[in-house]
Amino acid sequence: DVKVTQSSRYLVKRTGEKVFLECVQDMDHENMFWYRQDPGLGLRLIYFSYDVKMKEKGDIPEGYSVSREKKERFSLILESASTNQTSMYLCASSPGGPSSGNTIYFGEGSWLTVV
Amino acid sequence: AQKITQTQPGMFVQEKEAVTLDCTYDTSDQSYGLFWYKQPSSGEMIFLIYQGSYDEQNATEGRYSLNFQKARKSANLVISASQLGDSAMYFCAMRDLLYNNNDMRFGAGTRLTVKP
Repeated sequence: DVKVTQSSRYLVKRTGEKVFLECVQDMDHENMFWYRQDPGLGLRLIYFSYDVKMKEKGDIPEGYSVSREKKERFSLILESASTNQTSMYLCASSPGGPSSGNTIYFGEGSWLTVV
Repeated sequence: AQKITQTQPGMFVQEKEAVTLDCTYDTSDQSYGLFWYKQPSSGEMIFLIYQGSYDEQNATEGRYSLNFQKARKSANLVISASQLGDSAMYFCAMRDLLYNNNDMRFGAGTRLTVKP
């Protein structure tokens, strides 16, 4: 079974803090993704990475950065957390190549509250 | 750019009845995949069903079927014989198949409630 593990299920951080959300996958997938989920807006893509050290901006990259130093790990960084970044964050991964038409695999999500 | 639209924020269905969740999409891609996911209150995303844009047959997986109408750009999910455990958020998603490095875009979701 594919396993995508997000390091923290629930976090509470203060405004202005630097926040790291970590994600690890164990299936040697090329692609990894960070989404943000908000009621009524569905899942919105923040960043995705198709290889080590490679990244592409999604629809809402402002206020976020990412790091992919190893194939299995994809980190989402909030340089200076703000209250409007309170949300559920979902990490996902998928194989690369044409077969990547198949589904992507999600972690359990990280609920971040910024106070 | 790809866009996924789910126009039903919430739906109710009686247990054992069938329900259709709507999804329309907009893309200029020639080759793409359409997906449905279920998200229970626990938050995990569960893959339900997949349809490729060149697949001639509508996809089916158990009680789930995908009513794919390419000309109308719709990919509705049909759940037959609803069960109480089907109560959840449902998301439609799309992914370009032509390129190796391809992300997935989601709709806003539909919350389905199955009534006993």
